[in-house]
Amino acid sequence: EAQVTQNPRYLITVTGKKLTVTCSQNMNHEYMSWYRQDPGLGLRQIYYSMNVEVTDKGDVPEGYKVSRKEKRNFPLILESPSPNQTSLYFCASSPRTGTTGELFFGEGSRLTVL
Amino acid sequence: AQKVTQAQTEISVVEKEDVTLDCVYETRDTTYYLFWYKQPPSGELVFLIRRNSFDEQNEISGRYSWNFQKSTSSFNFTITASQVVDSAVYFCALSEPYSGGYQKVTFGIGTKLQVIP
Repeated sequence: EAQVTQNPRYLITVTGKKLTVTCSQNMNHEYMSWYRQDPGLGLRQIYYSMNVEVTDKGDVPEGYKVSRKEKRNFPLILESPSPNQTSLYFCASSPRTGTTGELFFGEGSRLTVL
Repeated sequence: AQKVTQAQTEISVVEKEDVTLDCVYETRDTTYYLFWYKQPPSGELVFLIRRNSFDEQNEISGRYSWNFQKSTSSFNFTITASQVVDSAVYFCALSEPYSGGYQKVTFGIGTKLQVIP
């Protein structure tokens, strides 16, 4: 089954404790992206990657890191989480060829930073 | 300036009423795509429809219909005879050409629809 898988789905952590949210897709998509969703702000792009070893900042990259060592994986790293990073996070992927921009989303990861 | 404006942040309707969710977009590109996604209370994002900029035909899918008007840069979504299961947050999104042959997707802030039984 074609899917984007995120882990963990739910996480409560404390300020400053490094964490990684994993994202994996099995559709051989070149493009992957991370979004955060906050009330009243919709979905905002954090980082994106057009292919392996190619990443770039989205609209709200501060406090986050990403890496793209393999095509299928695109982890989101919070080196020193802060309470303002409490949010619902979505990973998404998209093919390049013939792309219309349609995104395939993971189920979301709800992160709470205390 | 917002590229995708969903002016209605929350709407409440009584079951069986019709409801229209508004979406206004802004772009300089001639080729672009518009989307609607549904986010039910369970949290996942469900793709509803994609429309390209060259196709202004309205679309109907069951109780759902979409009205795309380039003249007013709008892509509105109507639910006919609403049901409680329609209660969700609905996002409108715009996809524009970006470097490398990719598309950049921008989302509106979403409209929360509550259908009251």
